[in-house]
Amino acid sequence: EPEVTQTPSHQVTQMGQEVILRCVPISNHLYFYWYRQILGQKVEFLVSFYNNEISEKSEIFDDQFSVERPDGSNFTLKIRSTKLEDSAMYFCASTGQGYTEAFFGQGTRLTVV
Amino acid sequence: EDQVTQSPEALRLQEGESSSLNCSYTVSGLRGLFWYRQDPGKGPEFLFTLYSAGEEKEKERLKATLTKKESFLHITAPKPEDSATYLCAVQARTGFQKLVFGTGTRLLVSP
Repeated sequence: EPEVTQTPSHQVTQMGQEVILRCVPISNHLYFYWYRQILGQKVEFLVSFYNNEISEKSEIFDDQFSVERPDGSNFTLKIRSTKLEDSAMYFCASTGQGYTEAFFGQGTRLTVV
Repeated sequence: EDQVTQSPEALRLQEGESSSLNCSYTVSGLRGLFWYRQDPGKGPEFLFTLYSAGEEKEKERLKATLTKKESFLHITAPKPEDSATYLCAVQARTGFQKLVFGTGTRLLVSP
């Protein structure tokens, strides 16, 4: 069964360092998303991406964040200068044409120390 | 602002003891309401999409229903493997398909 794959599963980084979280969405999907979940809190929308550009972003997604689809299969989230409060689970999701349900990856746990 | 409130926060059931989870929502034009299951340390797993009031969907021991203000996830004769957090999310007609999630209901089913 097709699935969304995320790497790494866990990343520890120093405050102020740049991190790149990687995702391989389901192959025929066209819409891509990043969400995050701080421990014990709700899943929050960060950004959606379609046709090689950002289609919507939340207030959380400030200038420290960027997304890219560098090739036909990968979708990345970059955090330029990490803060302690960026520690969370980051989920990638994708949606197919004509469908509304999003399929999520298993997440990357980011720990900023 | 679109909002989702789920209750109860946590629910403990004995195996075989049926119950319902509630999801109340306010949204500027509902495109869809979604139920997901989330196991600890894992990503949300899609269960159901409901689009209009009166709609019902079933899968094994789970049944989801939708009204104009809320959705229920009914769990019939649950088993320990149904233990998880159940998330409700709404998608508005405006906007680009983002999901707005509730905080979830943690379900524990004891044998």
